[in-house]
Amino acid sequence: EAGVAQSPRYKIIEKRQSVAFWCNPISGHATLYWYQQILGQGPKLLIQFQNNGVVDDSQLPKDRFSAERLKGVDSTLKIQPAKLEDSAVYLCASSLVVDRAKNEQFFGPGTRLTVL
Amino acid sequence: GNSVTQMEGPVTLSEEAFLTINCTYTATGYPSLFWYVQYPGEGLQLLLKATKADDKGSNKGFEATYRKETTSFHLEKGSVQVSDSAVYFCALVDSWGKLQFGAGTQVVVTP
Repeated sequence: EAGVAQSPRYKIIEKRQSVAFWCNPISGHATLYWYQQILGQGPKLLIQFQNNGVVDDSQLPKDRFSAERLKGVDSTLKIQPAKLEDSAVYLCASSLVVDRAKNEQFFGPGTRLTVL
Repeated sequence: GNSVTQMEGPVTLSEEAFLTINCTYTATGYPSLFWYVQYPGEGLQLLLKATKADDKGSNKGFEATYRKETTSFHLEKGSVQVSDSAVYFCALVDSWGKLQFGAGTQVVVTP
């Protein structure tokens, strides 16, 4: 079974530039998550999709971050404009069901963003 | 709000040593508890989980027991290998199915 795919793996940009990340979840997984992992910290949920609808985006800085999941499969996360503090690893995860006891999320390898 | 606290690293051990990583949580209700592992250059992988009090999760020689009375979920392994070098994250799932992670503990195992 193919895992969660993400691209690019690394990205270096200057502040105020824009950047986009792509995620392809495991086939059949209805729920997709984007996390931000700052160095030395645990991942923090940015946004959660159920199919192509947003379930939770309470931690997403909406003035600069946006995400979409058209057709309920692939997803893109965009930052515009980037700030220095956006330097982090952006993780995408997917899960088959949203169930408190069964919520095993499968993670992609992440995209490491460096903002100069 | 919910939170997860785990011991700071790095934890440096010799091969075959005993490993313990402490994890405590604060949550309303009875969350499910998880340990995830992140090997160098790889994504997070679920290591083990426990969904109710007194449950013991186990995998690859690692164990953790859900202790409601002490709100803890400490990770243990009796004899570590160099291949266990990784960052370990304790996490809980709230009633909405949202994962909340601790800060992670880096483990370095030397030959």
